[in-house]
Amino acid sequence: ELKVEQNPLFLSMQEGKNYTIYCNYSTTSDRLYWYRQDPGKSLESLFVLLSNGAVKQEGRLMASLDTKARLSTLHITAAVHDLSATYFCAVDMPEISNFGNEKLTFGTGTRLTIIP
Amino acid sequence: GAVVSQHPSWVICKSGTSVKIECRSLDFQATTMFWYRQFPKQSLMLMATSNEGSKATYEQGVEKDKFLINHASLTLSTLTVTSAHPEDSSFYICSASGRNDSGRPPYNEQFFGPGTRLTVL
Repeated sequence: ELKVEQNPLFLSMQEGKNYTIYCNYSTTSDRLYWYRQDPGKSLESLFVLLSNGAVKQEGRLMASLDTKARLSTLHITAAVHDLSATYFCAVDMPEISNFGNEKLTFGTGTRLTIIP
Repeated sequence: GAVVSQHPSWVICKSGTSVKIECRSLDFQATTMFWYRQFPKQSLMLMATSNEGSKATYEQGVEKDKFLINHASLTLSTLTVTSAHPEDSSFYICSASGRNDSGRPPYNEQFFGPGTRLTVL
């Protein structure tokens, strides 16, 4: 059974500071996703990481993937209040199917609060 | 592109009634749709996977007779919560992915709907 763990579960940080959220998973997978969820809302796709060593950046967020270590990181640079949200990583569980679609297992989530 | 809608966005019902939630892919053909449930302050848990024209595959612990899933077309899947009880109150989110043969290996991103908040009194 695939397990996906995030660390930390809660993070409160001041504006302008840097921090990293970690996502560990238990079995082999080469596809990892990061999502943002605002209270009462659905998921917003942030990054799709498709291979070992993949690094993607968008604004103050940067995500990376190390498939050998089964680890992905989401790094926040110079945090601003607008980044307050819950962040989820999700890992593909490759399934054999006629349509080639895979199932996602979500991490526990990291609730990020940016304090002005 | 890749827009997924859900209807209704919220619903309040009495215990014992049935509720139907629709999930539509608006601008692509969704060969597979996924239904998730999210309790407050928790992560998303996959309930079932449905492929167009075939029976849904339910995750362990999800009652298939209670959560009826129909995926009759490439743009619509429905989830019916039968005989709903207060413990079924949750945020239900669908996602859809379409067939994509480009790239190696095949990569089919899931696009998420806005969610339906169900409250059972």
